[in-house]
Amino acid sequence: DQQVKQNSPSLSVQEGRISILNCDYTNSMFDYFLWYKKYPAEGPTFLISISSIKDKNEDGRFTVFLNKSAKHLSLHIVPSQPGDSAVYFCAASEAGGYNKLIFGAGTRLAVHP
Amino acid sequence: EPEVTQTPSHQVTQMGQEVILRCVPISNHLYFYWYRQILGQKVEFLVSFYNNEISEKSEIFDDQFSVERPDGSNFTLKIRSTKLEDSAMYFCASSETRSTDTQYFGPGTRLTVL
Repeated sequence: DQQVKQNSPSLSVQEGRISILNCDYTNSMFDYFLWYKKYPAEGPTFLISISSIKDKNEDGRFTVFLNKSAKHLSLHIVPSQPGDSAVYFCAASEAGGYNKLIFGAGTRLAVHP
Repeated sequence: EPEVTQTPSHQVTQMGQEVILRCVPISNHLYFYWYRQILGQKVEFLVSFYNNEISEKSEIFDDQFSVERPDGSNFTLKIRSTKLEDSAMYFCASSETRSTDTQYFGPGTRLTVL
């Protein structure tokens, strides 16, 4: 079941530069999208979300863009900091459901000085 | 800041034994969830729970699994007869409402079945 795909297993970025993490989905019934950050041996930590009625949501250094026609979303982190190094998961939930989240496989971000 | 807590952090059990994983959701949240992540795989939905009953469950959540909210604060996941393939991180999550609301996750319980 590949309803949510993160095709890049890893990303390396220099401190201060922009990190762009990508996510694609196939289910047109998804109407809410979230990004979670996860450190080893910890639970996913919520970062930012976006509803399908919007195409952009911004929170500090984090911005999520949603392109519904392409079924694609991206997370931009500007400027990247070493503390951002973690695994980032994209997740989606379906309209009218009980908020079951479908996760992507994750992208490991490494921010180096 | 309120958070979801889970106990124990690590549970080791023998195949065939029963285990109970415990969670304390955020106090004003009404919707509760269990997810699991087998090593190297995606986080997978197991079950959602609202108003003292299961709202939705995945194919993984078979008769060996059950959930309960025994009091006003705890939310438990029971596996009746554990199998080797149940070894995973189990995450509890809660959300305040159902529609387009964020789920907040606990730190997880690592279950090891020997």
